[in-house]
Amino acid sequence: EDQVTQSPEALRLQEGESSSLNCSYTVSGLRGLFWYRQDPGKGPEFLFTLYSAGEEKEKERLKATLTKKESFLHITAPKPEDSATYLCAVQARGQNFVFGPGTRLSVLP
Amino acid sequence: EADIYQTPRYLVIGTGKKITLECSQTMGHDKMYWYQQDPGMELHLIHYSYGVNSTEKGDLSSESTVSRIRTEHFPLTLESARPSHTSQYLCASSEYALRGTRDEQYFGPGTRLTVT
Repeated sequence: EDQVTQSPEALRLQEGESSSLNCSYTVSGLRGLFWYRQDPGKGPEFLFTLYSAGEEKEKERLKATLTKKESFLHITAPKPEDSATYLCAVQARGQNFVFGPGTRLSVLP
Repeated sequence: EADIYQTPRYLVIGTGKKITLECSQTMGHDKMYWYQQDPGMELHLIHYSYGVNSTEKGDLSSESTVSRIRTEHFPLTLESARPSHTSQYLCASSEYALRGTRDEQYFGPGTRLTVT
């Protein structure tokens, strides 16, 4: 069965304090790994897709990396507006998406 | 910015009522999805569609039904609402995966449903 776990469950950072979020997965034939940002009361917002081990994607203060068993979302010098829940999802070949429970990030000024 | 819309945004309704949650997208995407999400929990897939006249049940057992008569429209219906249906319902769309194009999903803002 395809599974996605995320850690930590919640993370509090001071503004400018860099850190990483982890997404571990087990899937039969990974087609893609996706990162989303979700603000309270809203739908998830697409951030990145990673397709193969070793791939990296960057957007502003965020950088996503992928290995054969996990993905990291690195946040460099975060700002309070980066506070949100970050969701990881995997898609197996020909299958639908399996989402993790998310990491709630709070960035304090 | 994704062009996918859901109405209503909030709905409070009594037990036994029939309700339809609306979802529309203007991106021409073939594949559409309905997810259920409780606060602080994972998204669970309840229905999806590959295109017009295609509907499939997802991983989460649901008493709802869907239809796909037009590409842009994917409504979800509950024939008889119950308190256990209280949740957030999220609609999403993506390009059809078999075309080999981008698979990422774009989500609507969600409908927060409360059944009293």
